[in-house]
Amino acid sequence: AQSVTQLDSQVPVFEEAPVELRCNYSSSVSVYLFWYVQYPNQGLQLLLKYLSGSTLVKGINGFEAEFNKSQTSFHLRKPSVHISDTAEYFCAVSPNFGNEKLTFGTGTRLTIIP
Amino acid sequence: DSGVTQTPKHLITATGQRVTLRCSPRSGDLSVYWYQQSLDQGLQFLIQYYNGEERAKGNILERFSAQQFPDLHSELNLSSLELGDSALYFCASSVGTGGMYEQYFGPGTRLTVT
Repeated sequence: AQSVTQLDSQVPVFEEAPVELRCNYSSSVSVYLFWYVQYPNQGLQLLLKYLSGSTLVKGINGFEAEFNKSQTSFHLRKPSVHISDTAEYFCAVSPNFGNEKLTFGTGTRLTIIP
Repeated sequence: DSGVTQTPKHLITATGQRVTLRCSPRSGDLSVYWYQQSLDQGLQFLIQYYNGEERAKGNILERFSAQQFPDLHSELNLSSLELGDSALYFCASSVGTGGMYEQYFGPGTRLTVT
């Protein structure tokens, strides 16, 4: 079984400042890793994913994440945030074979302060 | 717009009742997933169908059932509803079955049980 821990439930950041949203996972098998964003009153949208290869993954809206196998982490970063980045961010994991269901973390609410 | 549609958008019903949530996947997608998002449980995978067949099962209650029809749309049936079933129910679809395929989420159906 897999599990995901998002260490921060809420992160307030000033506009144009950098941000890092933390995600750690636990799994006995190799996994794929994902970050999803949920804007208010909307469904989830994929920001980026790690399947294999380069550990630095770039996604949409200027976000990137780094897969660290030894620390079982997949932290999300953005060098300069904008008001429009205010949303809930979910880290998710799925095994890379067999049952491919997504297991989500509890989410991090990112609030951008003008 | 992800291309996944869900109806209805909102549903208010009483305890003990039965409801049906409907999902139309993106054109060409064969997999449909159902997720429940609630304040206390977070985002949880319920069930997946691939080309009409049940593919994977998660934390789905026995009072809940789902199916995928020949035209690939899916329905989630919730019966003997309890207050705790109040949640946002998401449908997602992907072109194949496997963690490497991106899941596209619909806008969700908000179920309120009174």
